[in-house]
Order: sequence, then C-alpha cells, then structure tokens
Amino acid sequence: AQSVTQPDIHITVSEGASLELRCNYSYGATPYLFWYVQSPGQGLQLLLKYFSGDTLVQGIKGFEAEFKRSQSSFNLRKPSVHWSDAAEYFCAVGPSYNTDKLIFGTGTRLQVFP
Amino acid sequence: DVKVTQSSRYLVKRTGEKVFLECVQDMDHENMFWYRQDPGLGLRLIYFSYDVKMKEKGDIPEGYSVSREKKERFSLILESASTNQTSMYLCATVAGGPYNEQFFGPGTRLTVL
Repeated sequence: AQSVTQPDIHITVSEGASLELRCNYSYGATPYLFWYVQSPGQGLQLLLKYFSGDTLVQGIKGFEAEFKRSQSSFNLRKPSVHWSDAAEYFCAVGPSYNTDKLIFGTGTRLQVFP
Repeated sequence: DVKVTQSSRYLVKRTGEKVFLECVQDMDHENMFWYRQDPGLGLRLIYFSYDVKMKEKGDIPEGYSVSREKKERFSLILESASTNQTSMYLCATVAGGPYNEQFFGPGTRLTVL
C-alpha cells in the first residue's frame, strides 16, 4: 500500500540555520511528490512538486527538494531559515490508483528561534 | 487566484446534533475533497467528488456524508455529531489531473461537546 513517512514530528532550528525535513514514501510506480506548508490558522499551500525530470526541484519561499529513488526519499531543504518559516510541513504522494487522491504524511512542525 | 472558502472557522456543537460544513470554490474545478486533520495523524481523506452529484468514499467515511448539488459547492454532513469528530476539517479543490496542485480552504475547527 502507498504510504508516506515523516520521521520528525517536531524540529527546532535557529534563524539563519539550514533546514532539512525528511520524507520517505512507499509507492509501486513513479510517484508524484508534493510538499505543502500550513502556517498557523491557515490552510495548506503548495511549496513544490515533482513528477519527472530533474530530481532537484525548486519551490516557493526559497525551498527546494531532492527526489532520490534509491532511497525512496523526497527531503525538503532550505539553506537559511527565516522566522516566518515556522509552520507545519506535509509531504504527500499520489496519485492513488486512477484518482487524484493524495496520501499525506503526518507532518513536521518547525519551530524557529531568533 | 483560486479561492476556497469554508462556511465557518470555528464551530461548537453538541453531541447528536446534525452538522453541516460547507465549502465553496470559485475556479470551476471538477474535483473537491474533505479532509480531517488531527495532531500526529496528518490529513485523512473523508470523501471526495469528481463532479456534481458524484461522490467517493475516502479513507475514513464513517459517520460522515457529503453533498454536491452544484459544481462550486461541496458540503460535509455529520448526521449525528460525536465527540470523536472534534477536529479540524479542511476542504480542497483541484483541476483534473493528479499532478495539479490542491488548493485548500482555511479550515473549520469543530468542537463537539
């Protein structure tokens, strides 16, 4: 069955430090992979997505992610974190069979200290 | 910009009440979804719809139903609310195609007493 694992529930970093959020997936075919961010009190917003091509994808707000098929991973990175990046981050994989369903991970909450 | 609105940001209901959560989108998207979000569990799909009057069960449909009478509107119904349905409910919409971005509403935080 398709699944997504985000092993880190909560991460704390200092402002200006680099960031890597982990995501591992289990999927039988070529996956569509997504990272969404949820700021406090808001819905989810797409940061970036990957389907094919260059395995390093750039997203909004200075984020990037790298698809590694051999490791079944799609980790999110940012070289220098800003206080406004404090939020919850969700990795997702899809589609599920012939639908547009996404499977979401359990999320990683990022806290940024000044 | 796509706009997805949900009828309430916060809602408090009593056990046994019938609860309606409404979602409206303004981009003529075919597909609409209802998720619930709980700490440590991420987003779980309740129901989705590909078109007017069409609906499909998601992963946790028990205790819920949905209605889609118009393309822009997708309603989630709790027939008899229970305390274990206290949660954040998120609506999302997407144009056809699995590679496309899902656009989310701001969510409704429902508390069932």
